[in-house]
Amino acid sequence: SAVISQKPSRDICQRGTSLTIQCQVDSQVTMMFWYRQQPGQSLTLIATANQGSEATYESGFVIDKFPISRPNLTFSTLTVSNMSPEDSSIYLCSAQSGYGGELFFGEGSRLTVL
Amino acid sequence: AQKITQTQPGMFVQEKEAVTLDCTYDTSDQSYGLFWYKQPSSGEMIFLIYQGSYDEQNATEGRYSLNFQKARKSANLVISASQLGDSAMYFCAMREGEGYQKVTFGIGTKLQVIP
Repeated sequence: SAVISQKPSRDICQRGTSLTIQCQVDSQVTMMFWYRQQPGQSLTLIATANQGSEATYESGFVIDKFPISRPNLTFSTLTVSNMSPEDSSIYLCSAQSGYGGELFFGEGSRLTVL
Repeated sequence: AQKITQTQPGMFVQEKEAVTLDCTYDTSDQSYGLFWYKQPSSGEMIFLIYQGSYDEQNATEGRYSLNFQKARKSANLVISASQLGDSAMYFCAMREGEGYQKVTFGIGTKLQVIP
């Protein structure tokens, strides 16, 4: 199983600013995903982070708002741009353990936007 | 239509008793996978158990078992001998297709274990 480290674990941000979340996996993984969990809600997939190419975004999420990088098989970043209070959420990085395998998750990054 | 439906927003169970958390799913794919995750108040997502659509037997992992009824499209999680540490949110999830497809989560069930 993969161990995933995310940082920051939490942050308080001002409206209009941007924040980049880093996700480091302790082994090479093919697929990485970014999820958002709004307060009291389930997990919603933002995008699939593809190594060496542009991320694949889900409906309702756009690259300008959530740019994603995946420079190699162990690392990815998610930026939340031009933040508003509605972006206050937990952002979770996940990696798939192998072909058809389960997802492993980082500890999450809890963002509060004032 | 919702891909994953969890109809129990909250459940209570007495310590040492068994509890069943319901999950139904909707897919037209023949190949899919079903997952259960636990999220304690600390926030991390913990993988519990997996059932593949072609698996003949119900999956089991320690005190967790998955009651898979394919015709009814249900994948209920059974926790035996509940412990206080089982108090958490439980999410049912599904991957449609094979390999590296995305995983969709249900809204979750909050389980509270009573001493």
